[in-house]
Amino acid sequence: AQSVTQLDSQVPVFEEAPVELRCNYSSSVSVYLFWYVQYPNQGLQLLLKYLSGSTLVESINGFEAEFNKSQTSFHLRKPSVHISDTAEYFCAVSDSGAGSYQLTFGKGTKLSVIP
Amino acid sequence: KAGVTQTPRYLIKTRGQQVTLSCSPISGHRSVSWYQQTPGQGLQFLFEYFSETQRNKGNFPGRFSGRQFSNSRSEMNVSTLELGDSALYLCASSRTDSTEAFFGQGTRLTVV
Repeated sequence: AQSVTQLDSQVPVFEEAPVELRCNYSSSVSVYLFWYVQYPNQGLQLLLKYLSGSTLVESINGFEAEFNKSQTSFHLRKPSVHISDTAEYFCAVSDSGAGSYQLTFGKGTKLSVIP
Repeated sequence: KAGVTQTPRYLIKTRGQQVTLSCSPISGHRSVSWYQQTPGQGLQFLFEYFSETQRNKGNFPGRFSGRQFSNSRSEMNVSTLELGDSALYLCASSRTDSTEAFFGQGTRLTVV
């Protein structure tokens, strides 16, 4: 069984300030890791993913996340946030060997960017 | 390329009724998964279908069921609705050779 813990339910941050959204996971098997973003009244959009290889992964809109196997973490960071980054962010894992697409999600972190 | 389409977007049902939600995956995607999102429980996996077969199932009662058709479109059904079934139901589709799940905008079900 897998579980995901997002340590902060809400994170307020001023515009142009850096932000880190924390994610820790627990699994007895090898996993893939994902960050999804959800805007109000919308579905989920994939922000970035870690499958293998380089432990630092980046998205096209300036977010990055680093896979740390020893700490079982996959924290999301952005050096300078914009108002448009206000949304809810979900960390998720899936079993890399299962051959199915079941995702286990954390409870989400609401990022509020303050002008 | 059209995204994942879920219909209807909003639904209001009475306790005890049943409901059917529909999901049309991205063309070429053969895997369809369903998730329930509530403020209290967050996002929870319901089930996954691949080539018309249920490949995986979450921890939900038997009132929740689904199916997939030969064109990969999927439906989920909830019978004997309870107030606690009020939620956003999300469908996601995936290509066979990809790890990425593409989500629809969801169906918001309200049970009164």
